[in-house]
Amino acid sequence: SQQGEEDPQALSIQEGENATMNCSYKTSINNLQWYRQNSGRGLVHLILIRSNEREKHSGRLRVTLDTSKKSSSLLITASRAADTASYFCATYSGNTPLVFGKGTRLSVIA
Amino acid sequence: ETGVTQSPTHLIKTRGQQVTLRCSSQSGHNTVSWYQQALGQGPQFIFQYYREEENGRGNFPPRFSGLQFPNYSSELNVNALELDDSALYLCASSPWTGSNTEAFFGQGTRLTVV
Repeated sequence: SQQGEEDPQALSIQEGENATMNCSYKTSINNLQWYRQNSGRGLVHLILIRSNEREKHSGRLRVTLDTSKKSSSLLITASRAADTASYFCATYSGNTPLVFGKGTRLSVIA
Repeated sequence: ETGVTQSPTHLIKTRGQQVTLRCSSQSGHNTVSWYQQALGQGPQFIFQYYREEENGRGNFPPRFSGLQFPNYSSELNVNALELDDSALYLCASSPWTGSNTEAFFGQGTRLTVV
C-alpha cells in the first residue's frame, strides 16, 4: 500500500520557472523524505525533514511539512532542463520502512 | 553514484522460472532493503535485512525471499515467476536500521517475465 500521494501527477514548466510538488500522507510519521528518479533508474535522496521541523532548504530545494494537514511540499526554484525527472515523497512511520507515493513527473522545457 | 551496485542491470526470464538478483551495499552500511517498482508506480517495500537477519517484510508472497551475507551484500530470490513480477527491482542500503536516515539506492535491475 502507498502512504503518500503526490500532486500533480505530471508537471511541465519552462526553464527558469519554479516547480512545486505536493505530497499528502495518511498516518503520523517520524520523517518525510523526497527522492528523485531519472528515466526509471535508481532513486537519489534529496532531502529529509523530521516531524518536528516545518521547513528545510538545500540549494535550490525548499521543503515544507505541515503535520496537522499531513502534507508536504517540494519547491524547486529556477528550474533547469536537468531537473526533468520523477519526484517521490516517502514517509517513515514507527518501525516501518520507507513508504513511497506514486510520484510527480516533472518536465522542464529549455 | 551512491556506492550501491546491483547486478544484473537487465534480465529476461520465462514464467515459472526462478531468478536471483544481487546487491552490494555501500561501505559501512549494515542494512539493505529491497523494493519493487512497477511501471508508472512508486517503489513498493519487499523486505529489509539487518546484520544478516530479516528485519521487516512488505505484502509480498513467500516466493520472494532474500539473504544478507556477512559483508552485508544481499540477494533477492523470486521463485515461480509470474508476468506481474516484471518490474524494476531496487536495492537500498542504510548505515543503520531506523527512521532518521536516508536510503542509498542502486541503479536497479529491470526484470522482464515473458
